[in-house]
Amino acid sequence: GDSVTQMEGPVTLSEEAFLTINCTYTATGYPSLFWYVQYPGEGLQLLLKATKADDKGSNKGFEATYRKETTSFHLEKGSVQVSDSAVYFCGAGSGSRLTFGEGTQLTVNP
Amino acid sequence: DAGITQSPRHKVTETGTPVTLRCHQTENHRYMYWYRQDPGHGLRLIHYSYGVKDTDKGEVSDGYSVSRSKTEDFLLTLESATSSQTSVYFCAISEEPGLQGFGPGTRLTVT
Repeated sequence: GDSVTQMEGPVTLSEEAFLTINCTYTATGYPSLFWYVQYPGEGLQLLLKATKADDKGSNKGFEATYRKETTSFHLEKGSVQVSDSAVYFCGAGSGSRLTFGEGTQLTVNP
Repeated sequence: DAGITQSPRHKVTETGTPVTLRCHQTENHRYMYWYRQDPGHGLRLIHYSYGVKDTDKGEVSDGYSVSRSKTEDFLLTLESATSSQTSVYFCAISEEPGLQGFGPGTRLTVT
């Protein structure tokens, strides 16, 4: 089955710093790729997605590009804010099922 | 979390007792899922449903059963709870692959 490996956390940054959270996947075929965000005490929310190679997903200043050659989908943001503090999950899926990474805790300090 | 509710939101129970968690949706989505979230493991799929009375196992299904008698409700049952089932349980729904919406979660503690 599919598997997803995420950059280990926790990650601590200062406000306005550049963010990268690495994500790689293994899958048979060509899965769709996702980033979800979980704020404290809440469920996961879809942040962005990409469904085929070279697609770029973007939302709220976050971006990730589907790289088939490196089987990666790294999450980036140019200038993080305190409100971005959350846990970020990378996901890969084909059909109706998703496989998630372990999550990366991000803390942004003022 | 709009359109998805989970009940109860918190529960403490003793080892060996049966427990049922409920997920209710108002979106009329076809697919429903139960996950558990544990430190160091992220989210792991327990069971999912692709229609009324149609269910299948996920990667950590041992000790759990599910039922879906109506489109809007998906029940997760722990027949005899164990301490290893202490976790946060999330329900999710989707109408197309990957675009899962998640409920607010149920924190279950088995003592």
